[in-house]
Amino acid sequence: GENVEQHPSTLSVQEGDSAVIKCTYSDSASNYFPWYKQELGKRPQLIIDIRSNVGEKKDQRIAVTLNKTAKHFSLHITETQPEDSAVYFCAAPPPGSGGYNKLIFGAGTRLAVHP
Amino acid sequence: NAGVTQTPKFQVLKTGQSMTLQCAQDMNHEYMSWYRQDPGMGLRLIHYSVGAGITDQGEVPNGYNVSRSTTEDFPLRLLSAAPSQTSVYFCASSPGQGYGYTFGSGTRLTVV
Repeated sequence: GENVEQHPSTLSVQEGDSAVIKCTYSDSASNYFPWYKQELGKRPQLIIDIRSNVGEKKDQRIAVTLNKTAKHFSLHITETQPEDSAVYFCAAPPPGSGGYNKLIFGAGTRLAVHP
Repeated sequence: NAGVTQTPKFQVLKTGQSMTLQCAQDMNHEYMSWYRQDPGMGLRLIHYSVGAGITDQGEVPNGYNVSRSTTEDFPLRLLSAAPSQTSVYFCASSPGQGYGYTFGSGTRLTVV
């Protein structure tokens, strides 16, 4: 998506390893950064989000970190399991949106976890 | 709560036809958006709304119209369907600024 770059586009890991996906955004005024998981043929589902007043947020095996100076945020999945296999999308408000009332998505990362 | 409900789930249109994709939410969310998802392109924002009577364009608005007469409903109208509009369309809603979107199950549209 415009102004939200996501890397890598594909990621293959062994079960139990960690996975990290990174997104960069362009507007220093952006305040809200969610991550979505989309399984094949399903709708995107929110898995974790972070606001600009914190640097890290954790929820069991997943965490998101935010570096406002460098304008990037990352999704960390530890102890990966086969059911973590999916496409992951980051999102951020585009420049000039006045905060976080609309979201632009990254192009997605296809994560494959091999048993 | 049913969440975000989209109809129809599947649709085939001929080039030049018009139609409306329906979206309704029962969570009293202020924000609603329409996205299209093409293979390898991620989700692209078509139109969004921050409340009844207020709409604005997203990344790819051409060929689509929206209106928001009630908090619950946010229909997407295709004015004259083109093969380039073949895609999966997702409607999503959010309680407001700083909260994530809940997505509907999608409408798979094919234009022939």
